Amino acid sequence: QVTLRESGPALVKPTETLTLTCTFSGFSLITSGVCVSWIRQPPGKALEWLARIDWDDDKYYSPSLRTRLSISKDPYRNQVVLRMTNMNPVDTATYYCARTTDSYDSGGSYRSWFDPWGQGTLVTVSS
Amino acid sequence: QSVLTQPPSVSAAPGQRISISCSGSTSNIGNNFVSWYQQPPGAAPKLLIYDNNKRPSGIPDRFSGSKSGTSATLGITGLQTGDEADYYCGTWDNSLNIGVFGGGTKLTVL
Repeated sequence: QVTLRESGPALVKPTETLTLTCTFSGFSLITSGVCVSWIRQPPGKALEWLARIDWDDDKYYSPSLRTRLSISKDPYRNQVVLRMTNMNPVDTATYYCARTTDSYDSGGSYRSWFDPWGQGTLVTVSS
Repeated sequence: QSVLTQPPSVSAAPGQRISISCSGSTSNIGNNFVSWYQQPPGAAPKLLIYDNNKRPSGIPDRFSGSKSGTSATLGITGLQTGDEADYYCGTWDNSLNIGVFGGGTKLTVL
């Protein structure tokens, strides 16, 4: 059974750095084609993709947040860590991690989906 | 502002059929596979459709997906009150080199 669980502070102050940990089981981040993504959702709003780290340590970031985000992995502890600097009240959201696929079909189209997701962790940014 | 465009809401009576559109461009939907997610109120999203039209184990065949050009569609038949949720489409964008989602569609079963 594949599971992911997000952990981190529920409350951070403006300008602080947020550190979130995704602890997973049931799969390995050493296996080719396996990735972990972070996605967030402000209250009442849509999903926003943040970052992804791949089995081969390739990393991808949202262009609008690239300068503030850092993603890393410890595949032997089955953990992925997301750091976001200079937190602002607009960063208040539920943060999810999700196992992500990464492959191409024979025609060169990219195949990627998020499954499963963690339960999410609500982070509030307030002084 | 989401990269993919979905209608904000759709509604129908129990037993009826609905479809939800997801519009993109050649840099995302046009050249990559699309997935769909169901998010009931207060819950995490769950994969509903992957590779445009495939259903994971446990997802009933009332749910279907299709893609044509730069648009994708989620179809739900035999609507049930338990289908009330937000639905999101997602894919990869080759120009931005990131994952992208639609703005979500709220389904109300009247």
